[in-house]
Formats: sequence, structure tokens, C-alpha cells
Amino acid sequence: AQTVTQSQPEMSVQEAETVTLSCTYDTSESDYYLFWYKQPPSRQMILVIRQEAYKQQNATENRFSVNFQKAAKSFSLKISDSQLGDAAMYFCAYRGYSGGGADGLTFGKGTHLIIQP
Amino acid sequence: DAGVIQSPRHEVTEMGQEVTLRCKPISGHDYLFWYRQTMMRGLELLIYFNNNVPIDDSGMPEDRFSAKMPNASFSTLKIQPSEPRDSAVYFCASRLFNSPLHFGNGTRLTVT
Repeated sequence: AQTVTQSQPEMSVQEAETVTLSCTYDTSESDYYLFWYKQPPSRQMILVIRQEAYKQQNATENRFSVNFQKAAKSFSLKISDSQLGDAAMYFCAYRGYSGGGADGLTFGKGTHLIIQP
Repeated sequence: DAGVIQSPRHEVTEMGQEVTLRCKPISGHDYLFWYRQTMMRGLELLIYFNNNVPIDDSGMPEDRFSAKMPNASFSTLKIQPSEPRDSAVYFCASRLFNSPLHFGNGTRLTVT
């Protein structure tokens, strides 16, 4: 079974600074998807960024970018120019792609990101 | 386009009562998932449907839990009888074949 590990229960960063959240995963599959979701206090789950394992290029979405290291099974999220609205729980998630794309997401335990004004 | 709609947003009930959570997926999405979130266990997949058919219910904790999807636009998760340890946030989510998962706002269930 796939597992997703987020080793940082909590991170703190000054507003406007850059922060990196870590995620590692374990899988025997060669094709899969990786995601970062954000959950603010409103508890809504918001997709931040998505990476297909077959793509070597790291995904970026405005201030959010990933460092995907397939051989190391590492998928970190970098947030540049941190803003107060970035404060939330961040979840790393894995989904297999066994030709059907039918699997559900496996989530890490989350990292609580605090933005210091 | 409306997102995934869940109701109720909050539910408080007494132990032993039946609880029904409801979900309307995004129109056109063919996969629907039910997740449970607790502090201790994080986000757990309970069950998912493809084209209204249950595919994997191995995450359903016990027989007190059941889920149905009578049509493409509606699903329910029922707990009968409810117990205090069922207290959690329950999320419904939907997606197309290879698209990302879209979550509803969740139902916070409290069983006293």
C-alpha cells in the first residue's frame, strides 16, 4: 500500500518570505499523480498544485512550486512571498494510475503553516 | 459551475441515532468519494463510486456505515446506530476520470 509522510507537523514563516514543506511517499508504481491541498480554518479542501510522475518538469502555480524528485520519492512544496492568507493546513496526497485512474487519494498527516506578520 | 454540495454543514446527534449525510457531486463527474477526517487518523477514504456503482468500500469502518448513490447527482452516507467515536468531519469529493479531486465543504458530525 502507498504511504505519504509529512515530517513537519508545523512550520512558521515571516510574511513575504519563502517556505518549503516536505513530503515523501512510498510506492512501487511508476505512473502516479501527486497533489498538494490546502485546508484553511473554514475546512474547505483546496487544490494547490498537481504533478504527474511522468513529467520531469516541476509544476508551478503562481507563488507555488514543487520540487519533484522521483528517484528519491520526494515532493516538496515551495511557497514564495508568503501571505497571511496562506496560513492553513497543507496536505500532500498520492494517487496511483493503473491505467484506470480510479484510485482515491492517499493523504499525509498534514503540515500546519503559520504566517508571522 | 457549482462545486460539490454537502448537507448538512453541521450535525449534532445522540448516540444510537441514525445519521444521514448527503452529497451532490459536480455535474458530469463520474467518480464520487467519501472521506472522513479526524485529528488522530487524518483523512481516510471510506468508499468510492464510479458511475454510481460502489467500487471499493474497504475503508468503511464497520457495518454501521453504509453508502448509496442512487443516481449520478446524489449520494448518501448513513451511520446507524451512531457512536461518539464517529464524531469527525465527513467529506464528499468528485472528479472526472483523470482530473483532480474536488471536495465539498464537509459535514462536521458530533455524536454525544
